[in-house]
Amino acid sequence: ETGVTQSPTHLIKTRGQQVTLRCSSQSGHNTVSWYQQALGQGPQFIFQYYREEENGRGNFPPRFSGLQFPNYSSELNVNALELDDSALYLCASSGTSGGSTDTQYFGPGTRLTVL
Amino acid sequence: GENVEQHPSTLSVQEGDSAVIKCTYSDSASNYFPWYKQELGKRPQLIIDIRSNVGEKKDQRIAVTLNKTAKHFSLHITETQPEDSAVYFCAASMGKLIFGQGTELSVKP
Repeated sequence: ETGVTQSPTHLIKTRGQQVTLRCSSQSGHNTVSWYQQALGQGPQFIFQYYREEENGRGNFPPRFSGLQFPNYSSELNVNALELDDSALYLCASSGTSGGSTDTQYFGPGTRLTVL
Repeated sequence: GENVEQHPSTLSVQEGDSAVIKCTYSDSASNYFPWYKQELGKRPQLIIDIRSNVGEKKDQRIAVTLNKTAKHFSLHITETQPEDSAVYFCAASMGKLIFGQGTELSVKP
């Protein structure tokens, strides 16, 4: 198992609500990436944080936002939830350089259901 | 845009046979290619990775090959076992991982 943890494990929300998901990175890692995995599909990149700054963003609307804290843990916030936001949200922590070849280790994910 | 195609989507083999999964990528600047195994309800788990300065890498029963000219890479699993049954994802990276659609591998005893 990796040292990456996520909370909560499961979450049920209704359309229009807001949600905050949390991720603690593996010890020694300063980069956190967030992914959305819909059922039966591969993870899709949302954004990456390196040393508290956004370091790349995928094709997701601005209502998906994030933060990284001085201890390198991270939050993913989603506003104005839509039904299509129902998915497994994964965070991955990696290396010490923010580089493109750093190995990413995934947390167990948060299963979000939007009703 | 950046894209990774993965084939086949499902693969069924007999225990002891070999399994091969193939991926192609679109962004020639990609320089890191990991493979993840995901069991039902669990996190993706890194099983092997390769960087663009290497053509082949092996770890026990698992090997990965990379052809940068053709922009494709493959996962080879030999002597498959029932516990190898899972969904396998390839990915290509320039910092952010772009994943393939996944291959559901079933190893029948």
